[in-house]
Amino acid sequence: GIQVEQSPPDLILQEGANSTLRCNFSDSVNNLQWFHQNPWGQLINLFYIPSGTKQNGRLSATTVATERYSLLYISSSQTTDSGVYFCAEGSNYKLTFGKGTLLTVNP
Amino acid sequence: DGGITQSPKYLFRKEGQNVTLSCEQNLNHDAMYWYRQDPGQGLRLIYYSQIVNDFQKGDIAEGYSVSREKKESFPLTVTSAQKNPTAFYLCASTHRRPTMNTEAFFGQGTRLTVV
Repeated sequence: GIQVEQSPPDLILQEGANSTLRCNFSDSVNNLQWFHQNPWGQLINLFYIPSGTKQNGRLSATTVATERYSLLYISSSQTTDSGVYFCAEGSNYKLTFGKGTLLTVNP
Repeated sequence: DGGITQSPKYLFRKEGQNVTLSCEQNLNHDAMYWYRQDPGQGLRLIYYSQIVNDFQKGDIAEGYSVSREKKESFPLTVTSAQKNPTAFYLCASTHRRPTMNTEAFFGQGTRLTVV
């Protein structure tokens, strides 16, 4: 099956800094999602982005399906952005997750 | 409000017991999934179902069982055969038909602890 690799595994930022999280895939991307896991464990949908670019406030995402990667940009980070960010690829209606990026934003 | 409801939030199991985790959705989604998450790890697929009365094993199905008697419900039983069941369990659903948006939505999770 498809392999999903996320980088970096850990990231520490000062409040107000920008960051880029990356997701690489071993095969072509059919559908791609980014999630934020909050401290209580719930997965919050950030973007459904099989291709192209989307923006939602301080967050934006870009997927280049032909080159098998997706990027999540966080601008002007806030302490509430802390948590684990996952990307997941969906093929044959199954989602395969990366191991996540643990983001810590310090005040 | 449409969504996915998992219950209970916390569950304690004695060694040798079977326990059942509930997952209900009112999104009219055809497909439902169960994932397991261990501390500091990503999510691994246990079972999935694309249609009522049909389900398939995921990557780590041993020691688990499921049923899909209704479109809205996909309960997961953690059996005594599961050697290390302490984990966080997440249920998800998506539309199945390829012509529709296949974005996945998740429940709040059930934290299972063996005591």
